[in-house]
Amino acid sequence: QQQVKQSPQSLIVQKGGISIINCAYENTAFDYFPWYQQFPGKGPALLIAIRPDVSEKKEGRFTISFNKSAKQFSLHIMDSQPGDSATYFCAAWNSGNTPLVFGKGTRLSVIA
Amino acid sequence: DTGVSQNPRHKITKRGQNVTFRCDPISEHNRLYWYRQTLGQGPEFLTYFQNEAQLEKSRLLSDRFSAERPKGSFSTLEIQRTEQGDSAMYLCASSLIYIIGTIYFGEGSWLTVV
Repeated sequence: QQQVKQSPQSLIVQKGGISIINCAYENTAFDYFPWYQQFPGKGPALLIAIRPDVSEKKEGRFTISFNKSAKQFSLHIMDSQPGDSATYFCAAWNSGNTPLVFGKGTRLSVIA
Repeated sequence: DTGVSQNPRHKITKRGQNVTFRCDPISEHNRLYWYRQTLGQGPEFLTYFQNEAQLEKSRLLSDRFSAERPKGSFSTLEIQRTEQGDSAMYLCASSLIYIIGTIYFGEGSWLTVV
């Protein structure tokens, strides 16, 4: 079964708008939640990550919001730019176990 | 550039042939992972090594797949008797044991089985 469910599959956002991608998980043993960004023909690259002891983490235009009780977390991209157009993957990790498990990805297109 | 390096980047092979991919991790990284990614999907875990020991294998890793990391440095992933369903991008990643959850991916090796 899929351990991390990600939505939407694809997203089109106007330049300057806010992009929001959501993920949900079931396994309460997960204790680390990264987001990866992948451009065509490239491997995924770590973008930002959060632990469940905080509800929000911000790095530049990228923010993770985390809701432990709902077992959900989301990525917000503020002031979205065409260069942000990529596929984004949420992931989850249990520090007592491997491996990192990934959602199915969201293809983001930022249009001018 | 001292990132994760994978070779070859692209491989086209006929069904039934064997293929081998090589991964050179970031220097000093103890852990090395292999993932598989198909179009429109997230990376799926195949196996990982801690130094030279293979510690976990996914059930996705059939008997036709074998991975090695002989000296705890580079790793190879061999697929024997390839099938069309093996067509995918094979991603290698590496990490340090004590850096929790942060793994660094290479650019992947694309396999097309015809």
